Amino acid sequence: RKEVEQDPGPFNVPEGATVAFNCTYSNSASQSFFWYRQDCRKEPKLLMSVYSSGNEDGRFTAQLNRASQYISLLIRDSKLSDSATYLCVVNALGAAGNKLTFGGGTRVLVKP
Amino acid sequence: DARVTQTPRHKVTEMGQEVTMRCQPILGHNTVFWYRQTMMQGLELLAYFRNRAPLDDSGMPKDRFSAEMPDATLATLKIQPSEPRDSAVYFCASGFNTGRVVTEAFFGQGTRLTVV
Repeated sequence: RKEVEQDPGPFNVPEGATVAFNCTYSNSASQSFFWYRQDCRKEPKLLMSVYSSGNEDGRFTAQLNRASQYISLLIRDSKLSDSATYLCVVNALGAAGNKLTFGGGTRVLVKP
Repeated sequence: DARVTQTPRHKVTEMGQEVTMRCQPILGHNTVFWYRQTMMQGLELLAYFRNRAPLDDSGMPKDRFSAEMPDATLATLKIQPSEPRDSAVYFCASGFNTGRVVTEAFFGQGTRLTVV
């Protein structure tokens, strides 16, 4: 089982609609969580950190469920520019120290 | 504007040749990650350093890959000899490790390697 798993998609979303997707992680000792966005042929960029109480940044809402070991990302009022791959990132303290483990990404395509 | 700088941006080389990729982390960051990305495997962690010391390189094929941090401003990833299956985008990222958690990592633009 992979440490961090995501539905690869693609999620085809009409412009203006809401889309949500999850990411599951296997290490219960994971301590911090992030969502990154990656555009085609570009480097991943931080979208938002995920806090225990859940957090919102404009049209984006992130939630953490420690009991079920997943995080979620919700995008409201989708824009064409939201089309990208969204990467879930988990930080866990392992035997060799902290490391950031990436999920495989969820591809989102927003269409007119 | 602080950023992670990677060189070269693109590299085409013949099988068997040595390839060296370089990374300058953001000043003040104490953690450097090397990732490899392919369509099939996604982002794989190859190695990472904290305060220039290698913490984990278990994701790296030891027989041909090596990673070093000669100083705090330079990280290198070397492949010798290179093989066609090494063709991928190699990303360097830097962040700050407090000992308990790592802050968000900032990525360089990557080195797109093609081995023919």
